[in-house]
Amino acid sequence: QSVLTQPPSVSAAPGQKVTISCSGSNSNIGNNYVSWYQKLPGTAPKLLIYDNNKRPSGIPDRFSGSKSGTSATLGITGLQTGDEADYYCGTWDSSLSAWVFGGGTKLTVL
Amino acid sequence: QVQLVESGGGVVQPGGSLRLSCAASGFTFSRFGMHWVRQAPGKGLEWVALVWYDGSHKHNADSVKGRFTISRDNFQNTLYLQMNSLRVEDTAVYYCAKDLTNTWHALDYWGQGTLVTVSS
Repeated sequence: QSVLTQPPSVSAAPGQKVTISCSGSNSNIGNNYVSWYQKLPGTAPKLLIYDNNKRPSGIPDRFSGSKSGTSATLGITGLQTGDEADYYCGTWDSSLSAWVFGGGTKLTVL
Repeated sequence: QVQLVESGGGVVQPGGSLRLSCAASGFTFSRFGMHWVRQAPGKGLEWVALVWYDGSHKHNADSVKGRFTISRDNFQNTLYLQMNSLRVEDTAVYYCAKDLTNTWHALDYWGQGTLVTVSS
């Protein structure tokens, strides 16, 4: 059971938009920065969003992040088949003194 | 460019030990916190441990407390994970990752991982 809760799967058609939620508590999302990661099979995780809504250099603006209270959301617009991957949210948990990840969400582009 | 290269994975029997290494280059290693993260077959990402930029503070996941020790050598630009009393459930790909800052904002660069298999 992950400290951060994500839906197991989401799906949408190419060109459409999808959102992935990440729910936590005051000890993690509520008082710390959220980041998002893309994980393709057999490859290293890739940072997509940091500090709730900032994109590292090279990440297209089709990817966006937001945070409200103890929840965060990753948005992906203009879906491409290459976006099919597992997506994870992550943050620091001040009560646990530990980094925590969500359980991951599998994105299917139909 | 930032490079993180893990090594030391392999097959080990339950109760055995293994030491993973992560060679870092392309950034000032001594200025950043570092993490180990693992992914068991068919499972999600699981954070394992982190160490401050200077090695002065360390934090571990409860699942590895008392068995795994993270450390670093800032002269050799290398991160380590000493794994003792290994269990079947420790089987996973282990990744080292660089922290964006020293205040745990994000993990911005990752290595390609090294596979640890615990099996009799």
